[in-house]
Amino acid sequence: AQSVSQHNHHVILSEAASLELGCNYSYGGTVNLFWYVQYPGQHLQLLLKYFSGDPLVKGIKGFEAEFIKSKFSFNLRKPSVQWSDTAEYFCAVTEKNQAGTALIFGKGTTLSVSS
Amino acid sequence: DADVTQTPRNRITKTGKRIMLECSQTKGHDRMYWYRQDPGLGLRLIYYSFDVKDINKGEISDGYSVSRQAQAKFSLSLESAIPNQTALYFCATRGQGDQPQHFGDGTRLSIL
Repeated sequence: AQSVSQHNHHVILSEAASLELGCNYSYGGTVNLFWYVQYPGQHLQLLLKYFSGDPLVKGIKGFEAEFIKSKFSFNLRKPSVQWSDTAEYFCAVTEKNQAGTALIFGKGTTLSVSS
Repeated sequence: DADVTQTPRNRITKTGKRIMLECSQTKGHDRMYWYRQDPGLGLRLIYYSFDVKDINKGEISDGYSVSRQAQAKFSLSLESAIPNQTALYFCATRGQGDQPQHFGDGTRLSIL
């Protein structure tokens, strides 16, 4: 069965620090990968996605993620975080080309950014 | 995302009560999903539906049932609510092909 592991439960950073959140998945087939963000009291919003092509994908708000197939990883990065990036971040995976397949989520990483 | 609407947004109820959470969408998507979110556990899939005639159990379907009344509507029911079903519930939709899921604003359910 597929699973997603997020390495950090809670990350605390100061503004302007660089961010990297780890995500590894277990699945032998071809996958689509996602990062979602949930700001306090809000619903999940898509941050970025990888379906195919360039393994370095850029999302909204300056975030990017790199798909490394050999490591089954899809780590999220941002060079300089802002206070407004305080949120919970979820990595998710689904099988490629499987109609209707649901997302498998990691347990989430809470990011707290101090100003 | 205003295209996926969940009602109610908040609900407090007692153990043993029957609860229905509703989800409607204007995105025209065939695929709809119900998840629950618990602190430290992320989102877990309860049920999902490919179309009106199709219902599938997810990871944690026990204690829940669903109804796909129309393409745009997917309801989640707790027949006899229990306290460990206290959680934040999200509905999501997805179009065909390689598409991301779109989430509603969530329903915060508390069972006393």
